This record gives sequence, structure tokens and C-alpha cells, in this order.
Amino acid sequence: NAGVTQTPKFQVLKTGQSMTLQCAQDMNHEYMSWYRQDPGMGLRLIHYSVGAGITDQGEVPNGYNVSRSTTEDFPLRLLSAAPSQTSVYFCASSYSNRGHEKLFFGSGTQLSVL
Amino acid sequence: DAKTTQPNSMESNEEEPVHLPCNHSTISGTDYIHWYRQLPSQGPEYVIHGLTSNVNNRMASLAIAEDRKSSTLILHRATLRDAAVYYCILIKSNFGNEKLTFGTGTRLTIIP
Repeated sequence: NAGVTQTPKFQVLKTGQSMTLQCAQDMNHEYMSWYRQDPGMGLRLIHYSVGAGITDQGEVPNGYNVSRSTTEDFPLRLLSAAPSQTSVYFCASSYSNRGHEKLFFGSGTQLSVL
Repeated sequence: DAKTTQPNSMESNEEEPVHLPCNHSTISGTDYIHWYRQLPSQGPEYVIHGLTSNVNNRMASLAIAEDRKSSTLILHRATLRDAAVYYCILIKSNFGNEKLTFGTGTRLTIIP
């Protein structure tokens, strides 16, 4: 069982470039989400989805887009990368959006924007 | 959204119990108390969760105050591998469009 898989692990971008961070889970989880982690800031929610075709904004959505065309995949798109988006990005999933469910996290993508 | 408050850092000696506190005075009746930990250069991993009663699993125990305004994660015998940042978060019973917010957690250092 692979769990939550994030690719790539590392990425360097130039300002203005676009890219997609991939997240896939094989646990048939309905809830998926993206976080960014900056030093001293904890984890901040970017976007989340409670099921295929349903997405919503989190705490820091500006500069990011998401879509959820399948249950398994939840890609995060950076439209025009900025140095302020240098961070570690984590994808998480849960069987449902119920409080008794565990969250499963991927191993992260370290992104540097020059 | 209900918030949690944790100490920034704690130290403990190896092979001794560790008690990590979390205050959540604005908790609502439908909020679950979850604990996650993050080892260096890894994503967070689930530790334990509970609603009202104390909970035990192979990793830890969770003690929940009777008024639910605070909780304590207990590592019964700390090892060096338990050195991590521990996050206490509240998750509603049906969080629908609710945002899950992780704070800065407690950085636990284990002293050999």
C-alpha cells in the first residue's frame, strides 16, 4: 500500500515559471488537502477537497490552483511562481471529512523559487 | 475555528515518560482532539486521537480533561526516535468546509 505519494521531492523554479505538484493516494480517500510549511509557521492550509469535483480554498490560496477530477489525484498548480512560494509542500488525505478519521500525509515537496 | 496552545519546546530524558500538554479552551462538543508528529525532513504522521475518553494505542496515550479544555499526550518511555515536533489539532465531527489548521507545535528533544 503506497499511501500518499507526492512528486517531485525537490524542485527549483525561476520566478514566473509554472509547475504542477502531484499528489496521489491509493486508499480511496474522499478528503484531500495541500499544506505549505515555512520555518516557524507550522502548516498552513492552501486548498482542500471533500470529494471528486469539489474543491475549496484554505488559509493561503493565492497563487495556487487545484482540481479534483478523480478520487485518487489532487494536483496543485503554481500559475506564476514567486520567491514567496519557496516552501515545503505537503499533501494529506483522509477517508472522509469526519473528525474521527486519521489524516495521512505525503513525504513532501521542497520547492525553491529563484 | 477552535485554537490549540502548546509549549514551543520540551526536553525529556531517554527511557522516561513524556507528557506533552495542549490547551484548547474554546473546544466545542463535536471537536475531536488529534495528535500528529513530524520527524525531521518527513511529513506529519498520525499519533492518536480522542473525543471524550482517554485513549491508548501502541504509540502513545491521550489523556483528556473532564471539561475537555485541555489534553495531554503521553509517551510512556521516550526513545531517541521520538524526537519530533508534536502537533495538537481539533477536528470537527463533520468538518465539511472547515479548515484544518496546524500551529507550530511542540518540539520534543530527547536527551540520551
